[in-house]
Amino acid sequence: DTGVSQNPRHKITKRGQNVTFRCDPISEHNRLYWYRQTLGQGPEFLTYFQNEAQLEKSRLLSDRFSAERPKGSFSTLEIQRTEQGDSAMYLCASLQGSNTGELFFGEGSRLTVL
Amino acid sequence: QKEVEQDPGPLSVPEGAIVSLNCTYSNSAFQYFMWYRQYSRKGPELLMYTYSSGNKEDGRFTAQVDKSSKYISLFIRDSQPSDSATYLCAMSSGAGNNRKLIWGLGTSLAVNP
Repeated sequence: DTGVSQNPRHKITKRGQNVTFRCDPISEHNRLYWYRQTLGQGPEFLTYFQNEAQLEKSRLLSDRFSAERPKGSFSTLEIQRTEQGDSAMYLCASLQGSNTGELFFGEGSRLTVL
Repeated sequence: QKEVEQDPGPLSVPEGAIVSLNCTYSNSAFQYFMWYRQYSRKGPELLMYTYSSGNKEDGRFTAQVDKSSKYISLFIRDSQPSDSATYLCAMSSGAGNNRKLIWGLGTSLAVNP
């Protein structure tokens, strides 16, 4: 298949630890997005790649957050020195770059920081 | 005031009812309007995509956009228990400009058999 795949689906960690999430987009999609969603809220934009270039980062993305897409295929989102406020669902989405605006989301990686 | 307002519900209806979900917005530059459905612990999936004003129909779903009132709606006919989910509206001002998607909070819908 070919939907957007995210791993791990759920990560429980202690405050201060580092975590990394991986996203494999739909193979022909050149744009990849990371969003964060907390309970009862809509997704919030974090960052965006076109191929391997990171074109925009939200102010929500503090220095503890870093995202990469080294070969323009899969992407990783790393959170260093996690805090309890980082607990959320981290969503990855991809887009082919057409003008239809159809973002395809993965099932998300849920982070719980104890 | 938030750019996009959406009543979080919850909304509970009997099976077969017509459901009406709505969002209002303040930014007159928005031109692209989307409705996503999100099941519990899953990512959002696109239901309807509309450009500018007008109606769009897809099966049991109809999306309406009234730019003069800055108001969008999603209607679900003959609602089914499988429609129970959170419905999120999202909108943007530019084509392909999805990094600037602005989302509503989502409305939680329960369709009771």
